[in-house]
Formats: sequence, C-alpha cells, structure tokens
Amino acid sequence: SQTIHQWPATLVQPVGSPLSLECTVEGTSNPNLYWYRQAAGRGLQLLFYSVGIGQISSEVPQNLSASRPQDRQFILSSKKLLLSDSGFYLCAWSRKGVDEAFFGQGTRLTVV
Amino acid sequence: TQLLEQSPQFLSIQEGENLTVYCNSSSVFSSLQWYRQEPGEGPVLLVTVVTGGEVKKLKRLTFQFGDARKDSSLHITAAQPGDTGLYLCAGRDDKIIFGKGTRLHILP
Repeated sequence: SQTIHQWPATLVQPVGSPLSLECTVEGTSNPNLYWYRQAAGRGLQLLFYSVGIGQISSEVPQNLSASRPQDRQFILSSKKLLLSDSGFYLCAWSRKGVDEAFFGQGTRLTVV
Repeated sequence: TQLLEQSPQFLSIQEGENLTVYCNSSSVFSSLQWYRQEPGEGPVLLVTVVTGGEVKKLKRLTFQFGDARKDSSLHITAAQPGDTGLYLCAGRDDKIIFGKGTRLHILP
C-alpha cells in the first residue's frame, strides 16, 4: 500500500531563517506531487506541483521554492522566512491521470 | 484558471437536522472529489463523482454531480456531531485544485 510521510509536524522558526520541509511517498512510482498551504482552517492554496524529477511548476509568486531530487521526494524550501509564511503546509501525491489526491499529516509552521 | 466556489462557508446546525453544501464552477471538470478534513490533519478523500448526473451514497452522505459536470452537492441526512469538519471539493485540470471549503459544526 502507498504511504506518504511529511515532517516535521510542527515548526517554530524566526523571521529570516531558512526552511526545509520534506515529503516522501512509498509504495508507488512516478507520482504527481503537490505542496499546498492552508491558512486559518480554510481552503488549500496550491503552491507547487511536480510531474517528475526536476520538474516543478509554481502557482503563486512567493518566498518559497520546491525541488524534487528523487522520484518520490518533494522538498519545500525558503532562504529567508517571512511572518506571512506561517501556516499549515500539506504535501500530497496522486497517480498520473487520476484525480484523487492523498495527503500527508501536514506541518504547522509558525514564523516568529 | 478553473475555480471552485463552495457555499456556505460556515454552517452550524443541530444534531439530527439535514443539510446540503455546494461546490460550483463555471468550468467543466472530468470529475470532482469531496474531502473531509479534521483540525491539524490532512484532508481525507470521501468520494469521486465522474458522470454528469451521478449520485453516490456513503452512509448518510449523498453526493451528486451536476448534469453539465460544473457543480456538485453534498447532502447529509440526520447530521451527527461526528460529521463536524471542513468539507472540501476538488477537481483537476492539469493539477488538482481545491475550493475554500465549508466548515460544518454539528451541535449535540
């Protein structure tokens, strides 16, 4: 069966510090991978998605970047965090051509 | 860019009542998904509707896909406190996008 791991679960970082959130998927190959951000318990804003290694599409201009160094690994990064980067970050995967997404447990990021 | 609009944003009702929430778009989707999210967790898939006019039932939850495949509804019969959560609809063009959700609170 497929599983998705996302860590850490919570993170408190000072303004100006770097960020690295990691997501890995097991039990499948060549998945589509997604990073979403959710503010205040509302809808999911798509940040980045990837259809393959090294292929990243950015949806929203921002202080963040994403990388996919391996088939089942997706990393969200920032060089210098802003207060506005606080939120709940969710990683997800889907099979090619299939509309259903499966989510990790999320990372609660607080920038102070 | 395709958009999904959900209504109402918030809904608070008494246990035992019925309710319907909506997901609308001006664009046609090949399918729509409904997810439920608990606080501090990732969304969990409830159902996918694919065919225009399709109706799917999941216990007390009834999901319908509009004939034109631009909208969907979720009807809950005899709501229970365990139904409390954020209900999200989603669809895919080349990536999966979500509506802003309906936050449902069922009062015991």
